[in-house]
Amino acid sequence: GQQVMQIPQYQHVQEGEDFTTYCNSSTTLSNIQWYKQRPGGHPVFLIQLVKSGEVKKQKRLTFQFGEAKKNSSLHITATQTTDVGTYFCAGPRDSNYQLIWGAGTKLIIKP
Amino acid sequence: EAQVTQNPRYLITVTGKKLTVTCSQNMNHEYMSWYRQDPGLGLRQIYYSMNVEVTDKGDVPEGYKVSRKEKRNFPLILESPSPNQTSLYFCASSLRQIGIHGELFFGEGSRLTVL
Repeated sequence: GQQVMQIPQYQHVQEGEDFTTYCNSSTTLSNIQWYKQRPGGHPVFLIQLVKSGEVKKQKRLTFQFGEAKKNSSLHITATQTTDVGTYFCAGPRDSNYQLIWGAGTKLIIKP
Repeated sequence: EAQVTQNPRYLITVTGKKLTVTCSQNMNHEYMSWYRQDPGLGLRQIYYSMNVEVTDKGDVPEGYKVSRKEKRNFPLILESPSPNQTSLYFCASSLRQIGIHGELFFGEGSRLTVL
């Protein structure tokens, strides 16, 4: 069945270092969504990418959707303590009634 | 304020005692869904609803029931809870089916413990 693999599971960084998480789908996706879940919080929608090769930026966050629409990445430049949390990618199943979720990448800022 | 509201936020119950977790959204969204989140397993969909009176199973529906009698409400029912249903539950809604403009809005979560 359709799967979305997300790596790494955890990433420890010093504040100010960069962070990247990657998602790979077993099938072509019509779009991909990214969510952030702060510790103790609920997932919050960040962005949706639709076009092949699309790149979108939100301040220090850069989102990319691969040319084949099977992979995506989220890159955070110069992490801050407010970036702490788990980042999830998700893509729709063929039916468009369900999302397939990556397992998430937890961003941890080293003290 | 646009929101998805779940109740209760926290609940400790015992095996076999029926319970309902309510979910309400004020955004006139067509699509609603329930997820459970467990450590290491990410978000798993329990049930979803495309519109009033239209529901379907997600990936982990066993032991749960839902209903969608009104557009705004989508309660999750555990008829006979068991300890393996101890989890963090999220309700979510979307303007329309998942696709373009199908981003999900999540409730704050309901942490359920079944003893």
